[in-house]
Amino acid sequence: AQSVTQLDSHVSVSEGTPVLLRCNYSSSYSPSLFWYVQHPNKGLQLLLKYTSAATLVKGINGFEAEFKKSETSFHLTKPSAHMSDAAEYFCVVRDGATNKLIFGTGTLLAVQP
Amino acid sequence: KAGVTQTPRYLIKTRGQQVTLSCSPISGHRSVSWYQQTPGQGLQFLFEYFSETQRNKGNFPGRFSGRQFSNSRSEMNVSTLELGDSALYLCASRDGSSPLHFGNGTRLTVT
Repeated sequence: AQSVTQLDSHVSVSEGTPVLLRCNYSSSYSPSLFWYVQHPNKGLQLLLKYTSAATLVKGINGFEAEFKKSETSFHLTKPSAHMSDAAEYFCVVRDGATNKLIFGTGTLLAVQP
Repeated sequence: KAGVTQTPRYLIKTRGQQVTLSCSPISGHRSVSWYQQTPGQGLQFLFEYFSETQRNKGNFPGRFSGRQFSNSRSEMNVSTLELGDSALYLCASRDGSSPLHFGNGTRLTVT
């Protein structure tokens, strides 16, 4: 069965410093992986997706993620945090057998001024 | 293109009542999925519809049901509401194997 584990439930950074949100996956297939962001009382917005093309994936708002098969990781990074990045972030894997999306438990990112 | 539209945005119901939530997908998207989001359980998959047929189903009791119309709009219904049904209900649509596009959700409070 496929699954994702988000290693931190809360991450706090200062504005202008780098962001690292960690995600490990478990998959029997070549996985499709996604990062979504959710601002308060809003739906989820797609940040980026990995579908077995380039291992370094660039997304919106300056975010990127690197697929590392040897480490089964798909960590999300951003060089410089902005106040507007404060939100909850979800790592997601698509189950290749059922086509269902399996969501991680989320990482709440706080950005301090 | 307009995004996924969910109505209503907020809803307050009493235990034992039933509720119907509505979702209009992005134009051209034929697949609609529903998720329940709570602080304790996170995001849980309810069901997915494609061309008016339920294609996938999560592990929810039969009180939770849905349907999809010929124009791809979808509704979900919860009968005999329980306090634990209080949640943000998210609808998402997609085209083929594209990523999901989410609506802003319906916040249901059961008192």
